[in-house]
Amino acid sequence: QQQVKQSPQSLIVQKGGISIINCAYENTAFDYFPWYQQFPGKGPALLIAIRPDVSEKKEGRFTISFNKSAKQFSLHIMDSQPGDSATYFCAARPPLGAGGTSYGKLTFGQGTILTVHP
Amino acid sequence: GAVVSQHPSRVICKSGTSVKIECRSLDFQATTMFWYRQFPKQSLMLMATSNEGSKATYEQGVEKDKFLINHASLTLSTLTVTSAHPEDSSFYICSAKTSGAVNEQFFGPGTRLTVL
Repeated sequence: QQQVKQSPQSLIVQKGGISIINCAYENTAFDYFPWYQQFPGKGPALLIAIRPDVSEKKEGRFTISFNKSAKQFSLHIMDSQPGDSATYFCAARPPLGAGGTSYGKLTFGQGTILTVHP
Repeated sequence: GAVVSQHPSRVICKSGTSVKIECRSLDFQATTMFWYRQFPKQSLMLMATSNEGSKATYEQGVEKDKFLINHASLTLSTLTVTSAHPEDSSFYICSAKTSGAVNEQFFGPGTRLTVL
């Protein structure tokens, strides 16, 4: 019930195109859904995050769409650039107020390797 | 933004030796830090949760005597890989969680451990 399933495993997009990465979760207690970008040999960096009280959040070229009933959320990268080529991870976290052994823990998706061709 | 550093960035050691990796939150205090392990082309695997002033909580299957974690201050957590073996070679990443209005994990740049 703690799984977060991410697809596709890899994605190739032309410069200027739209990159779409999808994630599905099972635990309805999750209340925070971040996306991370990771370049080779580096740690993940927070890209954008959403809470389930909104269906969409946009920051620049990055948009998260959230479907609470379907337990799915996705990352859209508009006008994809070669510099966006990286591995992207979705994640989910239970409420911090829940405490216990899950306090603050992120459950990560499997990752998507995005390649944007010039 | 919040910055987390790790030291060293790369380490190569002989089998049987112990290696210590430091994780520091540079501009904020972190009562909770996390240690992850990442194999090539795979996701992050949580190893343990490090809490300042108390014992770390290890995930199932992670040997606590193998991976010693110490969270001595609000800005420093260390991971010591004891008696390292080639199968311990991996990319180790820490994160530090902020508190207050912004509850977010900020990740360090990672440490590449190679055990010969």
